[in-house]
Amino acid sequence: QSVLTQPPSASGTPGQRVTISCSGSSSNIGGNTVKWYQQPPGTAPKLLIYSNNQRPSWVPDRFSGSKSGTSASLAISGLQSEDEADYYCSTWDDSLNAWVFGGGTKLTVL
Amino acid sequence: QVQLQEWGPGLVKPSQTLSLTCTVSGGSISSGNYYWSWIRQPAGKGLEWIGRIYTSGSTNYNPSLKSRVSISIDTSKNQLSLKMSSVTAADTAVYYCAREVSTSVRRYFDLWGRGTLVTVSS
Repeated sequence: QSVLTQPPSASGTPGQRVTISCSGSSSNIGGNTVKWYQQPPGTAPKLLIYSNNQRPSWVPDRFSGSKSGTSASLAISGLQSEDEADYYCSTWDDSLNAWVFGGGTKLTVL
Repeated sequence: QVQLQEWGPGLVKPSQTLSLTCTVSGGSISSGNYYWSWIRQPAGKGLEWIGRIYTSGSTNYNPSLKSRVSISIDTSKNQLSLKMSSVTAADTAVYYCAREVSTSVRRYFDLWGRGTLVTVSS
């Protein structure tokens, strides 16, 4: 059981907008910034969003993140087939003194 | 650019100790404000942080694994290592090493190795 809760799956058609949620608690999301990682099949995870809503330079602006209280969301607009991947939220947990991840959301582009 | 490469035995017997090494190339493991972590992923499952080490040698471990895990760093070889004792089939996973940016405003894993599969089986 993961400390952060994500839906196991999400889907959308090309061009659509999809959102993926991530729920935590006051000891993790509530007190620290959220990161999102993208993991295409058979590859290592890559940083997608940091500090709740900041994108590294190589990430297109179709990807955006937000945080409110003890929850966070990743939004992908203009969905493309190459976006098909697993997505993980992550943050530091002050009670565990450890990095924690969500269980991951498998995004399917229909 | 900086690259990470994990390596070690792909097969470990139950109750034995798993040992992996991560070699950092293209840059010094000692430079910058970085922690170096081990993260694992069982097949078809999510990511689990194992622990991390700073270049000073200070460590943090996942409480659920702390009693079995040890992470060390060898700055002369530009390597970090993972040892996990008393392994069971539940420790079968792809093991990644990752670099953690750690500043007052930025904390995230910005660089990952390709991962190495470790299977625990007799």
